[in-house]
Amino acid sequence: GNSVTQMEGPVTLSEEAFLTINCTYTATGYPSLFWYVQYPGEGLQLLLKATKADDKGSNKGFEATYRKETTSFHLEKGSVQVSDSAVYFCALIAGAGSYQLTFGKGTKLSVIP
Amino acid sequence: SQTIHQWPATLVQPVGSPLSLECTVEGTSNPNLYWYRQAAGRGLQLLFYSVGIGQISSEVPQNLSASRPQDRQFILSSKKLLLSDSGFYLCALGRSYEQYFGPGTRLTVT
Repeated sequence: GNSVTQMEGPVTLSEEAFLTINCTYTATGYPSLFWYVQYPGEGLQLLLKATKADDKGSNKGFEATYRKETTSFHLEKGSVQVSDSAVYFCALIAGAGSYQLTFGKGTKLSVIP
Repeated sequence: SQTIHQWPATLVQPVGSPLSLECTVEGTSNPNLYWYRQAAGRGLQLLFYSVGIGQISSEVPQNLSASRPQDRQFILSSKKLLLSDSGFYLCALGRSYEQYFGPGTRLTVT
């Protein structure tokens, strides 16, 4: 079956620090990969996506590269802000015709001034 | 652009009471619709999805049910709530390989 594994949180960083949240996956076929962000008390928002190997998704200073050889999609940001404090979810959809998003368990990020 | 509404935003219900959560979408037609649950300290669990009116697929057997009486309306129900039903319920709309989430309903079963 399909699965997504994220690094365990919570992660606490100082403002302007470098962020990496690791994500690896197991899937049949050729999945599309996503990072979603959930701010406190809100629903999930799509942060970025990549649909094929070597694609780089980017948004709001965040980046992630689809690495088929290592089955990874690590999220990075060069300089985090307090407003980036949220829970981040890695997810995949396993190929054309699939309806189901498979999520990781989420990583809570807290950024302190 | 598409918008997802969920009602109510928060709900406190006693064990054994019925439940009805509503999700409506605007700005799109014939969407795939999904219900997810996020329990405290856990990830998201897909409960149901629907590809059209009256078409419901269940991912997890439990005391919840879903219905889609109209193209842009998706309802999550229960006849008798359990304590374990507490959580944050998210409705999502699917377009191609992307999903867009509503603001959620926080349910506390006491």
